[in-house]
Formats: sequence, C-alpha cells, structure tokens
Amino acid sequence: GAGVSQSPSNKVTEKGKDVELRCDPISGHTALYWYRQRLGQGLEFLIYFQGNSAPDKSGLPSDRFSAERTGESVSTLTIQRTQQEDSAVYLCASSLVRGPETQYFGPGTRLLVL
Amino acid sequence: SQELEQSPQSLIVQEGKNLTINCTSSKTLYGLYWYKQKYGEGLIFLMMLQKGGEEKSHEKITAKLDEKKQQSSLHITASQPSHAGIYLCGADEAGGGADGLTFGKGTHLIIQP
Repeated sequence: GAGVSQSPSNKVTEKGKDVELRCDPISGHTALYWYRQRLGQGLEFLIYFQGNSAPDKSGLPSDRFSAERTGESVSTLTIQRTQQEDSAVYLCASSLVRGPETQYFGPGTRLLVL
Repeated sequence: SQELEQSPQSLIVQEGKNLTINCTSSKTLYGLYWYKQKYGEGLIFLMMLQKGGEEKSHEKITAKLDEKKQQSSLHITASQPSHAGIYLCGADEAGGGADGLTFGKGTHLIIQP
C-alpha cells in the first residue's frame, strides 16, 4: 500500500517568503509527526497530532512555524517569513497508534532558503 | 533535555567487514530506537530496545542496550552495499511511547566494494 507522501520534494525560496509543506499520512493512521533535520544535526521533533486532540506544539522553534491537520488526513506545515536557518529537510511521519516504534516516515521536503 | 551522542560520525568499511555504531545518552533511556535513512526514502525503523541488557537482531544487524540503559550499540556483520546509509538512534525521554523522539546526529556509513 501507499506510504507517507510529502510535497514538494524540494523547495527553494527567498528569505522572507512564506512556504507551505504538505504531508499525506498513511490512511487510517491517527498520529502524525513533523520533524526537521538540519545539515549536520540530528532530527528535531516539531509537532505532533493525535486524532482530533489539540496538537503538541512543544517543538516548534518559533511563532513563524505553524501546522494544521484536519481530522486524520493531510497536514500542512507553514513557515512564515522564512530565514536562512530554516533550510533543512522536513520529515513527516505517521503511526496507526501512539508509539514511536510504529512510525512510518515520508521521504521529506528539502527546503533551501536563499 | 536528553542528548544523544553517536559515534563515529562517519564510517567507511570494506564490503564484508563487521562494524559497530554507538549511541550514548546523557540520561537513562526508557526506549532506544534505531533508524536507517537513505536519500529520498525517509527513515526506516530497524529496532527498538527497552530493557537493560536487551539484544535484538534483524538479518545481519544486531543492537544492544547496556545494563545501565545509557548506551546502545548497533553491530553489522559481513557488511553489504545495501547497508550504506545514515543510521540514527532516537530516544524516548518519558517512557511509555513518547510523542516525539530525541535523535542523535547520525552515523554516515559508506560500504566500499
């Protein structure tokens, strides 16, 4: 079956512009996670959605970052007024139930802010 | 917050040789996860370890969590080109299935034919 998909796969933008990243989780997966991986650094947890519960936004690095998810479907991560330090690979994962061992990751969106 | 240190940062190994990657935590590990990342394919879950002294194997990859639950090692026997990639360890800070993991910076493994 289809895995987690993300779009776009690559995005180049100018500093100060807004960008929107999309994640399509595996159908039926209630939990959805966003991570960021900057060059030479490990993965950083950004935000977590579980069903219709309020998302855990504890990992968002600034108020320029926001994410939405309607029900158990598509999620979008929006970065406003992008900065060069936002350049990274943004990874989305979904899981059927809560628990990292069942997370399935998408291929990521490579964001470059010039 | 928990910090994970992976070593080595990069590793070049001749095909057929054995290798070990280490992951050390600054705090007790309630759950330690190993993932593999290939370009364009996202992360692939390898194994999860929870109990001190636990050891798990999958094909030619074996992972262990030490008794004190602060270090894990990933061992690959008779390495193959398919083993090349970035290996990431992730830690569950709170236990019981955290919402998000803390990850190490990864070990970049290159297999030379």
